[in-house]
Amino acid sequence: AQTVTQSQPEMSVQEAETVTLSCTYDTSESDYYLFWYKQPPSRQMILVIRQEAYKQQNATENRFSVNFQKAAKSFSLKISDSQLGDAAMYFCAHSPTQGGSEKLVFGKGTKLTVNP
Amino acid sequence: AAGVIQSPRHLIKEKRETATLKCYPIPRHDTVYWYQQGPGQDPQFLISFYEKMQSDKGSIPDRFSAQQFSDYHSELNMSSLELGDSALYFCASSPRRRGGYTFGSGTRLTVV
Repeated sequence: AQTVTQSQPEMSVQEAETVTLSCTYDTSESDYYLFWYKQPPSRQMILVIRQEAYKQQNATENRFSVNFQKAAKSFSLKISDSQLGDAAMYFCAHSPTQGGSEKLVFGKGTKLTVNP
Repeated sequence: AAGVIQSPRHLIKEKRETATLKCYPIPRHDTVYWYQQGPGQDPQFLISFYEKMQSDKGSIPDRFSAQQFSDYHSELNMSSLELGDSALYFCASSPRRRGGYTFGSGTRLTVV
C-alpha cells in the first residue's frame, strides 16, 4: 500500500522569502503521479503542481517548484517569493497510473503561515 | 471554465437520518471520486466510478452507497448518520488516466 509522509506539521516563512515543504512516500509501483495540493481556509482543494514519476525533470509552476528524488522517494515543494495568499494547508499526494484506479493517498498536511 | 459542482454546500442532519450528496463533474470527465475529510484530517478516499461502474472502493462504511448516472453525475447516499460522519465531503472528476483531477468545493455535513 502506498503511504505519504509529511514530517512538518507546521512551517512559517516571511513574505518574499523562500520555503521548502518536505514529503516522502512509499510505493512498490514503478510509475505514478505525485501532487501538491493547497487547501486555504475556504477548504477548497487546489492543485499546485504535478509530477509524473517517469519524468526526471522537476516540475515548475511559476513560483512553485519541486525537487523530485525518485530513488529516495522524496518530493519536496519549494515556494519562492512567498506571498500572504500562499498561507494554507499543503497536502502531498500520490496516485498510481495503472491498476484501474487513480485514487489519491494524501499525507497529513503541512500548515504554512506567511508572516508580513 | 466549468468546474466540479457539488450540492448542497452545507447540510445539517440529525443522528440516524439520511443524507444525499450530489456531484456534477466537468463535462467530458468520465471518472468521479469521493473523499471524506474530517476536522483537522487529510482527505480519505471513499469510492470512485468510471463510465458509471464502480472502479475502486476505499474506507467507505456499509451505511454509505454511491452511484454514477448516465449523465455522469454522481450521488453519495449516507444512511443512519452518526456524529462521526460530520466532515467535508469532496467530489473530484477527471478524464481517464490523465493524472490528477479537479476537486469540487465540497459539501460540509454536520450531524447533530
